[in-house]
Amino acid sequence: DVVMTQSPLTLPVTLGQPASISCRSSQSLVYSDGHIYLSWFQQRPGQSPRRLIYKVSKRDSGVPDRFSGSGSGSDFTLKISRVEAEDVGVYYCMQGAQRPRTFGQGTKVEIK
Amino acid sequence: EVQLVESGGGLVQPGGSLRLSCSASGFTFSNYEMHWVRQAPGKGLEYVSSISSNGDTTYYADSLKGRFTISRDNSKNTLYLQMSSLRTEDTAIYYCVHGYFFDNWGQGTLVTVSS
Repeated sequence: DVVMTQSPLTLPVTLGQPASISCRSSQSLVYSDGHIYLSWFQQRPGQSPRRLIYKVSKRDSGVPDRFSGSGSGSDFTLKISRVEAEDVGVYYCMQGAQRPRTFGQGTKVEIK
Repeated sequence: EVQLVESGGGLVQPGGSLRLSCSASGFTFSNYEMHWVRQAPGKGLEYVSSISSNGDTTYYADSLKGRFTISRDNSKNTLYLQMSSLRTEDTAIYYCVHGYFFDNWGQGTLVTVSS
């Protein structure tokens, strides 16, 4: 199975400051069609997960543009340009290139 | 608007069985791959299983093969997860998820395995 490794596991941030989460895969996530199937999910406290980003950098409808995804091959990043209070929660990356799908351990974003 | 409503969770003894259901609306159910993902209390997300749009192909996490069975009824817009030989470590919220890229998630149903 593809192992997804996130860092850091906890990220204290100051409101209005940027934040960055890394996700690395044990294998390349380039699918046979040439696309890279890497998604990011946000889980706010007490809520279900919600997808933010798919195919590395495509933002879902309604997702603020302060969220951005980047990366290639096996190294990916989720960035929040200016953290707001509503961004508190746990963020997960997930690979969709191979079966079974696998998630990272999660990164908890908290306000300093 | 996509809606996914899970049901069937509850308290079950170790070794017991349970069937979860997910009622879907707001999209053409028969066109989409569907999934189950679970989350143990205070833990991260764990992939459980997927099923193709027509139900012909299923996938499972290696650790669950043989105990869980995913199925769907496209005439009823409903996804199922049959769980057997349940263990305490299966205690989790079970989420129904829509779409190849895990587009939308339900609110989840809590399964507690305990004596």
